[in-house]
Amino acid sequence: GAVVSQHPSWVICKSGTSVKIECRSLDFQATTMFWYRQFPKQSLMLMATSNEGSKATYEQGVEKDKFLINHASLTLSTLTVTSAHPEDSSFYICSANDSQETQYFGPGTRLLVL
Amino acid sequence: QKEVEQNSGPLSVPEGAIASLNCTYSDRGSQSFFWYRQYSGKSPELIMSIYSNGDKEDGRFTAQLNKASQYVSLLIRDSQPSDSATYLCAISGAGSYQLTFGKGTKLSVIP
Repeated sequence: GAVVSQHPSWVICKSGTSVKIECRSLDFQATTMFWYRQFPKQSLMLMATSNEGSKATYEQGVEKDKFLINHASLTLSTLTVTSAHPEDSSFYICSANDSQETQYFGPGTRLLVL
Repeated sequence: QKEVEQNSGPLSVPEGAIASLNCTYSDRGSQSFFWYRQYSGKSPELIMSIYSNGDKEDGRFTAQLNKASQYVSLLIRDSQPSDSATYLCAISGAGSYQLTFGKGTKLSVIP
């Protein structure tokens, strides 16, 4: 299957700082990528749909000014958590669609805001 | 509002048995159906995809789709302790790349 990578896998930061997470499709081009968040023992929550070359589409309740998404190329999307606070601590997972419209997930980024 | 329903479990089966995981969905226009496996602390991993009515087999896994009943299932034959995980049912509609996920069924395979 297709491979999606994320970097970093772990990040610990102080409250008020910004954190950037990268999502890359390694062996295919992805016009659409997705960003999810998962709190402990809860299901995946879609945050936004990232489209190459255009603005991301955010789900209801997700602040677009806090979670900045950039999809500058067909293999890279970034999520920046601006002015992170402890309640933003979570497991952030990206995914990308291949040409068969199958969605593959990255390994996730665990964010801890102190 | 599209809904995907799964029994949260836990579903416990003895090693070597068949595990049967079920999923129902509300949107009759749904076109693509997926099963993902998620180990604790890890991201989801694609197990099976199915697009038409009937059965699709891949190794020890069989996906079954019945669009008339709006039902999709996953059978795991010869269950192994390493199959213990949460299994997520995911569905997308026509022309949409966005997946709607169920809350997942936790499977425990007892040695």
